[in-house]
Amino acid sequence: TQLLEQSPQFLSIQEGENLTVYCNSSSVFSSLQWYRQEPGEGPVLLVTVVTGGEVKKLKRLTFQFGDARKDSSLHITAAQPGDTGLYLCAGEDRYGQNFVFGPGTRLSVLP
Amino acid sequence: SAVISQKPSRDICQRGTSLTIQCQVDSQVTMMFWYRQQPGQSLTLIATANQGSEATYESGFVIDKFPISRPNLTFSTLTVSNMSPEDSSIYLCSVQPGTGPYEQYFGPGTRLTVT
Repeated sequence: TQLLEQSPQFLSIQEGENLTVYCNSSSVFSSLQWYRQEPGEGPVLLVTVVTGGEVKKLKRLTFQFGDARKDSSLHITAAQPGDTGLYLCAGEDRYGQNFVFGPGTRLSVLP
Repeated sequence: SAVISQKPSRDICQRGTSLTIQCQVDSQVTMMFWYRQQPGQSLTLIATANQGSEATYESGFVIDKFPISRPNLTFSTLTVSNMSPEDSSIYLCSVQPGTGPYEQYFGPGTRLTVT
């Protein structure tokens, strides 16, 4: 069974600070997604990474897929209160058979 | 992408009753999924509902408790049967519109409270 771990579990920071959230596994994934979920809403897809070492940027968010495709990171620059939410990573195994969600990182950005 | 709506958005139900949740997609999709999210937790897959075949349930979830219908490529229902307080949760449907990476698009969820 593939498992995804995320760290930290909770993060509370001041507006303007930078932060990094990690998603780790002992398994190889053919693709990995990051989602953000706000209270009362469903998760919203932020990005998909497919190639080992791949880096993608979405405004102040930078996503990286590890070279071995077992881990990923999300870096937020100059966090804003609107970044508050639950950040979930999710991965598809190399065979396209299984798709798992990590436990999430709950981010709170204080004004 | 896909736009997904769910009904009801929330409900409070009594123990022993059943609730049917509807999921409507704005485009035809083959793969549709139902998830449960307990308060403060991540998502747990209940079942995969593909049109034209029986739903496939994950370990710990059974058809008698969570019957699913998928009558066409834009609609599905999940019924939570014989509810108990432990069923209090957010129920989410999602779709995978493409054939590439496993990208999913979610509905807003149904918040269920069982008293």
